[in-house]
Amino acid sequence: EPEVTQTPSHQVTQMGQEVILRCVPISNHLYFYWYRQILGQKVEFLVSFYNNEISEKSEIFDDQFSVERPDGSNFTLKIRSTKLEDSAMYFCASNPGQNQPQHFGDGTRLSIL
Amino acid sequence: AQRVTQPEKLLSVFKGAPVELKCNYSYSGSPELFWYVQYSRQRLQLLLRHISRESIKGFTADLNKGETSFHLKKPFAQEEDSAMYYCALTDTGFQKLVFGTGTRLLVSP
Repeated sequence: EPEVTQTPSHQVTQMGQEVILRCVPISNHLYFYWYRQILGQKVEFLVSFYNNEISEKSEIFDDQFSVERPDGSNFTLKIRSTKLEDSAMYFCASNPGQNQPQHFGDGTRLSIL
Repeated sequence: AQRVTQPEKLLSVFKGAPVELKCNYSYSGSPELFWYVQYSRQRLQLLLRHISRESIKGFTADLNKGETSFHLKKPFAQEEDSAMYYCALTDTGFQKLVFGTGTRLLVSP
């Protein structure tokens, strides 16, 4: 069964540095998402992406964050000038279209030092 | 505002006992409700969606619009059911998911 894949599984970065989290959605999926889960808290929506543009973003997704689909397979989340509170598990998800459930990747654990 | 509430952080039962994981929601329209499961060291996986009204791994969930609930039930828990369970909703069009805080189910032998 095809899966959403995320790399790296764990990223350790110094505060203030930029980090790029990578995702390869399932190949025939058209909608892409990023979520995050701070340790001990709920999974929170960050952004959804369709047709090469952001379709919705949460209040968490401020100017520090950006997403990109640089080619036909990757979907990336960039965090500029990371802060300690950005430490979390980041999940990528995709679905083939509206009215279809989202499939999640294994997540990337981001640790900001 | 959209909100999903899972009042129990931990539910501990013995093998063979019935299980009910509670989920309540607040939403102004007609949401789609889901249960996702996360086994140890694995990804979030879709367990159930209310519109399909099916039973997966013996689990069922009924949407009660009057009580705004979508509780997850299983008549006889198994040890392999031990996992984190997340209730989630989305609006029509299946865009962003709003998750509850999750309930850890621990099934002991």
